[in-house]
Amino acid sequence: AQSVTQPDIHITVSEGASLELRCNYSYGATPYLFWYVQSPGQGLQLLLKYFSGDTLVQGIKGFEAEFKRSQSSFNLRKPSVHWSDAAEYFCAVGEQAGTALIFGKGTTLSVSS
Amino acid sequence: DTGVSQDPRHKITKRGQNVTFRCDPISEHNRLYWYRQTLGQGPEFLTYFQNEAQLEKSRLLSDRFSAERPKGSFSTLEIQRTEQGDSAMYLCASSRTGPEQYFGPGTRLTVT
Repeated sequence: AQSVTQPDIHITVSEGASLELRCNYSYGATPYLFWYVQSPGQGLQLLLKYFSGDTLVQGIKGFEAEFKRSQSSFNLRKPSVHWSDAAEYFCAVGEQAGTALIFGKGTTLSVSS
Repeated sequence: DTGVSQDPRHKITKRGQNVTFRCDPISEHNRLYWYRQTLGQGPEFLTYFQNEAQLEKSRLLSDRFSAERPKGSFSTLEIQRTEQGDSAMYLCASSRTGPEQYFGPGTRLTVT
C-alpha cells in the first residue's frame, strides 16, 4: 500500500535561513508527488508537483523539490525563508488522475525573527 | 479564475443531528473529491466523483455518510446522526485531466 512519511513534526527556522522539509514515500512505481501548504483554518494550496522528467521541480513562492528515486524521497527546499512561510506543509502521493491522494501527517513550520 | 468553494465554512451541531455540506468545484473540472482532516493529521480520502458518477468510496465513509453530485457540478456531503468523532475539517478538491487536485477552504464541523 502507498504511504507517505514526513519525519519532522515541527521545524523552527530563522527568517532568512534555508529550509528543507523531508518526505519519504512507499510505492511500487514512480508515483505522482506533490507538496501542499496549509495556513491555519484554511484549505490546502498546491506548491509544486512532480510527474516525470527533470528531478528538480520549481514551485510557487520560491519553493523547489527534488525527487530522488533511490531514496524514495521528495524533499522540499527554500533558500531563504520569510515569516509568511510559517504554515503546515504536506507531502502527498498519487497514482494517476482520478485517484485519491495519500498524504503525510504534515510538518509545521515556525519562523523565528 | 474562481477556485473551489465550500459552504458553510463552519458548522456547530449537536450529536445526533444531520448536517449537509456543499462544494462547488472549479468550473469545467469534472473530477471532485472529498477528504476529511482531523487535528494533527493529513487529509484522508473519503470519496471521488467523475462527473455525476461516484466511482470510489473509502472505508472511512460509513453508512451515515452520503455524497451526491447530481448534475456533475456541485456536490453535497451529508452526515446523518452525527457523532463527536465526526468533528473534523471536511475538504473538497477538484481536478480536470491531471492528477493534481485543487482544494477548497474546507468546512470545519464541531459536534457537541
